Amino acid sequence: AQTVTQSQPEMSVQEAETVTLSCTYDTSESDYYLFWYKQPPSRQMILVIRQEAYKQQNATENRFSVNFQKAAKSFSLKISDSQLGDAAMYFCAYRSVSNYGGSQGNLIFGKGTKLSVKP
Amino acid sequence: EAQVTQNPRYLITVTGKKLTVTCSQNMNHEYMSWYRQDPGLGLRQIYYSMNVEVTDKGDVPEGYKVSRKEKRNFPLILESPSPNQTSLYFCASSRSGFRFTDTQYFGPGTRLTVL
Repeated sequence: AQTVTQSQPEMSVQEAETVTLSCTYDTSESDYYLFWYKQPPSRQMILVIRQEAYKQQNATENRFSVNFQKAAKSFSLKISDSQLGDAAMYFCAYRSVSNYGGSQGNLIFGKGTKLSVKP
Repeated sequence: EAQVTQNPRYLITVTGKKLTVTCSQNMNHEYMSWYRQDPGLGLRQIYYSMNVEVTDKGDVPEGYKVSRKEKRNFPLILESPSPNQTSLYFCASSRSGFRFTDTQYFGPGTRLTVL
């Protein structure tokens, strides 16, 4: 079964600085999708960025980018020019493209990293 | 506005009293899913539905039921709630369960407390 590990329960960054959140995963599959979701205090789950495993190019969305290392099974999120509104819980998630051994469409989440942004 | 709605947003109940948490989406999505979020555990899938009348168990289905009679609605039913079902519940939907590129959109969450 696939697992997702976020080794940093909490992180802190100064406003306007850059921070990197770590995520590793375990899978025997070669094709899959990886996501970062943001959960602000409102508790809404918001998709931040998505990466297809078959694409070598790292995904970027404005100030958010990922460092996808497929061989190392690593998927870190970099937030540049951090803003106060970036303060939230961040979840890394994995989604299989096959149904073998699990439910279709199931997002497997890490336990989250709480990011604080200091003014 | 495209959205997933859940009701109620907050619920406090007692052990054994049947309850239903509703979930509705207005995006004509085929795939819908329920997750629960517990401290230190992240989100775990309870049940999912690939389309109308097609439902299946996720990772933690015990103590829950679902139904999918209409495309837009996917209620979560707790026939006899117990304290270990105290949690934050999310409903999610995506255009298709087969198209794994499709983003899952989440509802605002329902905070359930079972005394």
